[in-house]
Amino acid sequence: EAQVTQNPRYLITVTGKKLTVTCSQNMNHEYMSWYRQDPGLGLRQIYYSMNVEVTDKGDVPEGYKVSRKEKRNFPLILESPSPNQTSLYFCASSPRTGRYEQYFGPGTRLTVT
Amino acid sequence: ELKVEQNPLFLSMQEGKNYTIYCNYSTTSDRLYWYRQDPGKSLESLFVLLSNGAVKQEGRLMASLDTKARLSTLHITAAVHDLSATYFCAVNSGGGADGLTFGKGTHLIIQP
Repeated sequence: EAQVTQNPRYLITVTGKKLTVTCSQNMNHEYMSWYRQDPGLGLRQIYYSMNVEVTDKGDVPEGYKVSRKEKRNFPLILESPSPNQTSLYFCASSPRTGRYEQYFGPGTRLTVT
Repeated sequence: ELKVEQNPLFLSMQEGKNYTIYCNYSTTSDRLYWYRQDPGKSLESLFVLLSNGAVKQEGRLMASLDTKARLSTLHITAAVHDLSATYFCAVNSGGGADGLTFGKGTHLIIQP
């Protein structure tokens, strides 16, 4: 089944404790992206990747890092999480660029205390 | 900066009624996306509108795009309870390798 998976689905952590949210897709998509969803704000892009070893900032990249060492994986790294990063995070992928239909993962709900 | 505005943001309606959700965007774009999100779930793609005048229909939902007016509509015909969800429109931003800029979403409740 074609899908985007994320782990963990739920995470509660404390300020400053490094964490990684994994994202994997099995559709051989070149483009992958991370979004965060906050009440009243919709979804906002954090980082994106056009292909292996090619990543760039989206609209709200502060406090986040990403890497793309393999085509299928695009982890989101929070090196020193803060409470304002409490949010619902979605990974998405599309065949080549964002100008194709994007397929979203199930989401990761992160709480930073 | 691209802005995408949806209205209404909240809509409560009765089964059997018709209604329209509006999506305005501030800069030129030749395509627009509609997504559905159920509570606690991910986003499900509903429609991809690729050109001016595009119209797509799926069941009781019909979406259209007017690129000259920078307006898309999502029309609901004879609403049923199962259509209760949050609906988002999104436009390619041009930046972020054409990442999506989303509206804030329309929270739709359909009362039996």
